[in-house]
Amino acid sequence: DGGITQSPKYLFRKEGQNVTLSCEQNLNHDAMYWYRQDPGQGLRLIYYSQIVNDFQKGDIAEGYSVSREKKESFPLTVTSAQKNPTAFYLCASRTRGGSTEAFFGQGTRLTVV
Amino acid sequence: GQQLNQSPQSMFIQEGEDVSMNCTSSSIFNTWLWYKQDPGEGPVLLIALYKAGELTSNGRLTAQFGITRKDSFLNISASIPSDVGIYFCAGDARSFGNEKLTFGTGTRLTIIP
Repeated sequence: DGGITQSPKYLFRKEGQNVTLSCEQNLNHDAMYWYRQDPGQGLRLIYYSQIVNDFQKGDIAEGYSVSREKKESFPLTVTSAQKNPTAFYLCASRTRGGSTEAFFGQGTRLTVV
Repeated sequence: GQQLNQSPQSMFIQEGEDVSMNCTSSSIFNTWLWYKQDPGEGPVLLIALYKAGELTSNGRLTAQFGITRKDSFLNISASIPSDVGIYFCAGDARSFGNEKLTFGTGTRLTIIP
């Protein structure tokens, strides 16, 4: 089935460690996005990518890094520089060009202890 | 970064009641999207609107693209228990050169038994 897969569903890490969240899609979408969601809050854009080997900072990029080496994959690294990393992270993708809907993965809940 | 203002933030209703929520922005969009998120899951697309003034239905859901292009409305008729969740609007300004997909702050719907 076509879709977006985020893994793992739950992730625990010690403070000060970097951690990488996976996002893979087989929808042949060019554009991919990472959002952060905190309890009771909306979705805030971390990074987005329109094509392979290109990405742009979103509204809250500090403390995060991404790569886009393949069209299907857009991993997000939460670095030790991120002050409050505990959150629900959502990956989305859509086609490039025109106004199109974004489709989301199931999310990864990261807890830093 | 910009987030769209959704109203109300939360709603407590009885089963069978109708629901109305809206989303406003200081800038114009050429597409409005409405999503629903169940707890611990990624948002799922409900309705997409592409033209100012457009009124679109999906079952008991009806959404409208505001004439000013700065707002959108979602109505749910005869609510049922599975309507519980968080509803997000999203505005797309892609054709204006803005590749970001901006989300609202969300409306949490609770059904009182």
